Amino acid sequence: DIVMTQSPDSLAVSLGERATVNCKPSQTLLSNSTNENCLAWYQQKPGQPPRLLIYWTSARESGVPDRFTGSGSGTDFTLTISRLQADDVAVYYCQQFHSLPWTFGQGTKVEI
Amino acid sequence: QITLQESGPILVKPTQTLTLTCSLSGFSLETSGVAVAWIRQSPGKALEWLAVIYWDDGTRYTSTLKRRLTITKGTSKNQVVLIMTDMDPMDTATYFCARTISGVADFPFDHWGPGALVTVSS
Repeated sequence: DIVMTQSPDSLAVSLGERATVNCKPSQTLLSNSTNENCLAWYQQKPGQPPRLLIYWTSARESGVPDRFTGSGSGTDFTLTISRLQADDVAVYYCQQFHSLPWTFGQGTKVEI
Repeated sequence: QITLQESGPILVKPTQTLTLTCSLSGFSLETSGVAVAWIRQSPGKALEWLAVIYWDDGTRYTSTLKRRLTITKGTSKNQVVLIMTDMDPMDTATYFCARTISGVADFPFDHWGPGALVTVSS
């Protein structure tokens, strides 16, 4: 199984500042079919299901603000939230969809 | 508008069998490439993928729970059913169903149900 390790477990960021969440898979997520990394990011607020933010490392899902940016390659990936807003307080998860079993990181709690 | 909605018991006793239903709207599991998965989240914990069923009736399971899980299409073409046997208090969690697409490569979960909290207790 591919283990997804996120860091930090939590972080506090001032409004308007940048938040950076890291994700490190235990092996490559590069798809032979698409030449894209099968890495996604989700946002989960209390009492809600996860919301897909980013897929293929850096592609934003429809409706996701451009202050959310995904980057990375190999076994190091990053979700950056620039200009943090109060509505961004949530837990963020990375997920690999390269191979079954699909696995998630342990989550990173972003607070103000 | 694509929606998924989980339904089932909120309380089950240890050793009992859990049956959850995911009702789909706005898309069809008969469409090539479409799949529906079950994912659970224990209180305060991370997400755990459990099972997936594909448009062509193919199924896959997480190996740690495979002997206890069955995923099927419901009697209605717009439903997916998850059966988990021999429930244990450790299975207390919110159970989500979610849509994904499988083609040349897989795709992440782009639509989720609100989740169903299942408590296992005597």
